[in-house]
Amino acid sequence: SAVISQKPSRDICQRGTSLTIQCQVDSQVTMMFWYRQQPGQSLTLIATANQGSEATYESGFVIDKFPISRPNLTFSTLTVSNMSPEDSSIYLCSLSPGTGNEQFFGPGTRLTVL
Amino acid sequence: GQNIDQPTEMTATEGAIVQINCTYQTSGFNGLFWYQQHAGEAPTFLSYNVLDGLEEKGRFSSFLSRSKGYSYLLLKELQMKDSASYLCAVSTGGFKTIFGAGTRLFVKA
Repeated sequence: SAVISQKPSRDICQRGTSLTIQCQVDSQVTMMFWYRQQPGQSLTLIATANQGSEATYESGFVIDKFPISRPNLTFSTLTVSNMSPEDSSIYLCSLSPGTGNEQFFGPGTRLTVL
Repeated sequence: GQNIDQPTEMTATEGAIVQINCTYQTSGFNGLFWYQQHAGEAPTFLSYNVLDGLEEKGRFSSFLSRSKGYSYLLLKELQMKDSASYLCAVSTGGFKTIFGAGTRLFVKA
């Protein structure tokens, strides 16, 4: 299985600022995913990050709020822009080796917005 | 719409057997997953069912009925370390997976 790392592991941010979360994988993968998990909730897919093309966002999530970069097959970033307390959540990146296969998750970034 | 239902919480005794149910209604189906998530940690893969029937893996088994949109996760010989959230998830096609809200399992001595 792939080794996935995320930075930062946690952060406390002020309202109105932005935070960029990095996700690094130890092998090349075509598709990477960004999820949000709010306290006591399950995982909600924010977007699918494709290398070499624009990310595909799920309903309720927009590029202006959550810009994503995918410069190569082992790295992606998610930015949470103009943060509000409602953005306090755990953000996880994940990858899937192929259609129908299980997903492997990074350790997550715990974000608190004051 | 897409919907995955599972109980919010369950409590069981160490050494016992517990069954966590999951029902789903999705626009596509390419397999059902169960994940375990300990508090403060990322989910980890437990099982995958794409055909009807029972898949057994040690103390954990998972069952699928596609015609009924139903699955369950069976945990035997419960241990305290099994206290965690268990997430039912459906791959709906392509690379997209939808997760249920999770069942928080408490194992008591």
